[in-house]
Amino acid sequence: AQSVSQHNHHVILSEAASLELGCNYSYGGTVNLFWYVQYPGQHLQLLLKYFSGDPLVKGIKGFEAEFIKSKFSFNLRKPSVQWSDTAEYFCAVISNFGNEKLTFGTGTRLTIIP
Amino acid sequence: DAGVTQSPTHLIKTRGQHVTLRCSPISGHKSVSWYQQVLGQGPQFIFQYYEKEERGRGNFPDRFSARQFPNYSSELNVNALLLGDSALYLCASSYIRESPSDFGPGTRLTVT
Repeated sequence: AQSVSQHNHHVILSEAASLELGCNYSYGGTVNLFWYVQYPGQHLQLLLKYFSGDPLVKGIKGFEAEFIKSKFSFNLRKPSVQWSDTAEYFCAVISNFGNEKLTFGTGTRLTIIP
Repeated sequence: DAGVTQSPTHLIKTRGQHVTLRCSPISGHKSVSWYQQVLGQGPQFIFQYYEKEERGRGNFPDRFSARQFPNYSSELNVNALLLGDSALYLCASSYIRESPSDFGPGTRLTVT
């Protein structure tokens, strides 16, 4: 069964700091990978996704993620965070064949200090 | 264009009761998925429906059921409610049978 691990439960950064949130998955086959964001009081939004091709994926709001197959990782990065990036971030995985189920990690709460 | 809509936004039920949650997908989207998000955890997959047929089911008891209507809206039903069913129930839709990109605001269910 596929699973997703997000080891950082709560990250606190100052504005303009660089961000990297870890995501590791366990599944032996082909996977599609996602990052979702949940701003306070708002619903889940897709930040970016990886299906195939260039392992460096760019998403909305200046976020990017790199798929490293050998490490089963899909870390989220942003070079300079803003106070408005304060939110909960979820990594998710879906296997490629016949199973449309998204498996989410437990999430990372990001707090940006002005 | 309206996003995914869900009703009601909040609901309080007592143990043993039944609940029906509703979801309207984005216009043109034929796939609807349901997820349960317990406080402090990531969403967990419950069901996916595509073209009115169940295409996937998560690890939830038979008390949970769902259906999709000809207009692609969907209902999630939960019977014999338990305290542990208290959660945010999310609906997501997509155009084809692919991973959802559009989630609704959720229905917050509290079981007392």
